[in-house]
Amino acid sequence: QKEVEQNSGPLSVPEGAIASLNCTYSDRGSQSFFWYRQYSGKSPELIMSIYSNGDKEDGRFTAQLNKASQYVSLLIRDSQPSDSATYLCAVNTGGSYIPTFGRGTSLIVHP
Amino acid sequence: DTAVSQTPKYLVTQMGNDKSIKCEQNLGHDTMYWYKQDSKKFLKIMFSYNNKELIINETVPNRFSPKSPDKAHLNLHINSLELGDSAVYFCASSRQDSNQPQHFGDGTRLSIL
Repeated sequence: QKEVEQNSGPLSVPEGAIASLNCTYSDRGSQSFFWYRQYSGKSPELIMSIYSNGDKEDGRFTAQLNKASQYVSLLIRDSQPSDSATYLCAVNTGGSYIPTFGRGTSLIVHP
Repeated sequence: DTAVSQTPKYLVTQMGNDKSIKCEQNLGHDTMYWYKQDSKKFLKIMFSYNNKELIINETVPNRFSPKSPDKAHLNLHINSLELGDSAVYFCASSRQDSNQPQHFGDGTRLSIL
């Protein structure tokens, strides 16, 4: 069974700090990895996708993928209170377009 | 110009009733999905549908059924509603490619009295 694990949190960081969110997955055949942000009462929105080992940066967000260790992480630099949300990790295995979602990590950025 | 739209946004109804939630996407995607998100925020896939196949999560009760009049629409019908059906239901769409992310609708909050 394909599993995607995230620490449910909440992860609390001060404004301006780096928030580090982690996700591990069980299927070694996984090929596509996504991070979604979900504000309370809203729908998930894509913030990052990553497909190969290493880092991918987009503004204050950096996704890191390590397929050998089967984890993907999301770093948020200069965290802002507006980053407070639940972050969902989603993983697609090769040949399947249906992602498996983790349970999400709640992030709280306090002023 | 909403990409994935679902109606209604809120649905309050009595146990035992039958209800439908509509979903439409204007992204030209060929695959649509229904998810259920419970109070603990776990996003659980219910159905995936494109013009070739319907994939059903086997844990979904057969009281739930998807109906797709065309590839831009995937409606969700629920018969004999139960208290445990209370949740937020999200429609999503994507291209049928494992490298493609999903685009979500705003959700329908279903409350069973």
